[in-house]
Amino acid sequence: GNSVTQMEGPVTLSEEAFLTINCTYTATGYPSLFWYVQYPGEGLQLLLKATKADDKGSNKGFEATYRKETTSFHLEKGSVQVSDSAVYFCALSATGNQFYFGTGTSLTVIP
Amino acid sequence: EAGVAQSPRYKIIEKRQSVAFWCNPISGHATLYWYQQILGQGPKLLIQFQNNGVVDDSQLPKDRFSAERLKGVDSTLKIQPAKLEDSAVYLCASSGLISYEQYFGPGTRLTVT
Repeated sequence: GNSVTQMEGPVTLSEEAFLTINCTYTATGYPSLFWYVQYPGEGLQLLLKATKADDKGSNKGFEATYRKETTSFHLEKGSVQVSDSAVYFCALSATGNQFYFGTGTSLTVIP
Repeated sequence: EAGVAQSPRYKIIEKRQSVAFWCNPISGHATLYWYQQILGQGPKLLIQFQNNGVVDDSQLPKDRFSAERLKGVDSTLKIQPAKLEDSAVYLCASSGLISYEQYFGPGTRLTVT
């Protein structure tokens, strides 16, 4: 079946630190992969996406590369800011546009 | 453009009562999704509509949950009767031509006491 496993949190980093949030997936076929972000009190927003192997999604300084050989889609950012504090969800879209989300990783960035 | 609208934002009910949530998707979006997000977990798809037809409702507890999208635009999700374990945030999302780009509403936080 389809599923997403992501790194458990919470994660606390100092401003300007390097961020990695791990995400691995299990899927039949060739899924599309996504990172969504949920800021406090707001709905989920698409952060970045990759639709095929070796694609790199990027947005707002965040990056993730679709690695088929390791079934991974790790989220990275070179220098986090306080405004990046949020919950991050890894997700995949399988056949029929059905979405499967990970459990979310809470990130807190302290000044 | 206006985003996905949901109401109410918060609801507190007692177990065995009924509750209904409303969602208005982004104008022109054919696909509408309802998700349940329990605290500490990721969103779980309850039902997916394409226009006014159901694409997937395999994870919808049909003995107590129902949903409709009569005119292919807005949608209502109902729980009757509610259980304590239904306490969660109910998220509505919609997508258009680029189907993997879902846009989420702010959610309805339901507390069942």
